[in-house]
Amino acid sequence: EDKVVQSPLSLVVHEGDTVTLNCSYEVTNFRSLLWYKQEKKAPTFLFMLTSSGIEKKSGRLSSILDKKELFSILNITATQTGDSAVYLCAGASYAGNNRKLIWGLGTSLAVNP
Amino acid sequence: GAVVSQHPSWVICKSGTSVKIECRSLDFQATTMFWYRQFPKQSLMLMATSNEGSKATYEQGVEKDKFLINHASLTLSTLTVTSAHPEDSSFYICSARDRSWAGTSKGDTQYFGPGTRLTVL
Repeated sequence: EDKVVQSPLSLVVHEGDTVTLNCSYEVTNFRSLLWYKQEKKAPTFLFMLTSSGIEKKSGRLSSILDKKELFSILNITATQTGDSAVYLCAGASYAGNNRKLIWGLGTSLAVNP
Repeated sequence: GAVVSQHPSWVICKSGTSVKIECRSLDFQATTMFWYRQFPKQSLMLMATSNEGSKATYEQGVEKDKFLINHASLTLSTLTVTSAHPEDSSFYICSARDRSWAGTSKGDTQYFGPGTRLTVL
């Protein structure tokens, strides 16, 4: 059965700290891995990763995929209180026309001032 | 780009009534839209996949007669919760895939609407 496991489930840090969020996956017909940030409302897209070893970067956020070991990490440097959110990881499974995302439970990040 | 709207953003209704939620892709066409449900402090639970011009595909355990989905155009999908009961109270979120990226890995990306908070009294 397909699954995506995120760790830790929750994390509390101080502003300025660097955090690493983990995501491991077992997804049949895996094609890509996606990271989303969810604050109070619906998730907003962060990254999509398809190739191993190629870092995607956006400001203080970066992410990388290891398709051999079946995991991805999301790094946030110099955290700010605005980074407080739930970070969701999802694996994209391609099986004909039935493409859907397999979601992890998320990592709840709280950044304290 | 890739903006998805949802309406209403919140709704309160009486038990036994039906509620319709609209999901629109504003600046792209979406052959596929997804409907999720999310309980507090839990992850997204996929309810159904909505394909334009065809019947929706429901996930196991989701009653298709209770959660009616219509995907009438490339930019609009609707979810109707029929005969709503208090246990249907939840946060309902739709997402859409951009048709222009169909067949590519970029087409895996789902863009989410802001969600609809449903409370059934």
